[in-house]
Amino acid sequence: GAVVSQHPSRVICKSGTSVKIECRSLDFQATTMFWYRQFPKKSLMLMATSNEGSKATYEQGVEKDKFLINHASLTLSTLTVTSAHPEDSSFYICSARSFGGYTFGSGTRLTVV
Amino acid sequence: QKEVEQNSGPLSVPEGAIASLNCTYSDRGSQSFFWYRQYSGKSPELIMSIYSNGDKEDGRFTAQLNKASQYVSLLIRDSQPSDSATYLCAVRVSGNTGKLIFGQGTTLQVKP
Repeated sequence: GAVVSQHPSRVICKSGTSVKIECRSLDFQATTMFWYRQFPKKSLMLMATSNEGSKATYEQGVEKDKFLINHASLTLSTLTVTSAHPEDSSFYICSARSFGGYTFGSGTRLTVV
Repeated sequence: QKEVEQNSGPLSVPEGAIASLNCTYSDRGSQSFFWYRQYSGKSPELIMSIYSNGDKEDGRFTAQLNKASQYVSLLIRDSQPSDSATYLCAVRVSGNTGKLIFGQGTTLQVKP
């Protein structure tokens, strides 16, 4: 079946630094990937749609300069949280459309201290 | 703003009972609906998808869709303690963006 690999699974960074999260489709090509953020005991909130070879589409209220998305190939999308602050601490999950459905990465737990 | 609504629960049922989870959505043009299960700290895993009005059964799970009422539900028969998790309803937004919008999730507790 379709597999999406997401790394790292956990990261702790200092306030003001940047963190990159990778999402890679292993056995299929993903022209579109989605990035979600999930706060404790809350649902997945769609942050942006990542399109291969073009600019990402951000949801209302999501700062595109803070959450940089790059989808340079058909198998890799990256999310960079720039100048991270403690309020950016969250669970970040990517998803790709695959074979009629959606495949999710395993998520990245980001803690900003 | 497209919305998906679920009762956050917790919904508590005894082992062996039927658990009924409900979801309503606002996008009348939506055609694809999904139920995901999420354990704490883990990524969602797909339980069922449903696209047509009526019932769809897969093992102990039955999804029900009523597009006229903009309502989708999930029944879990013979509930097991291992079914204890958060169940997320997701709706694919109409149009060609492919975006999935999630409800807030219902926490299910199955008591032995």
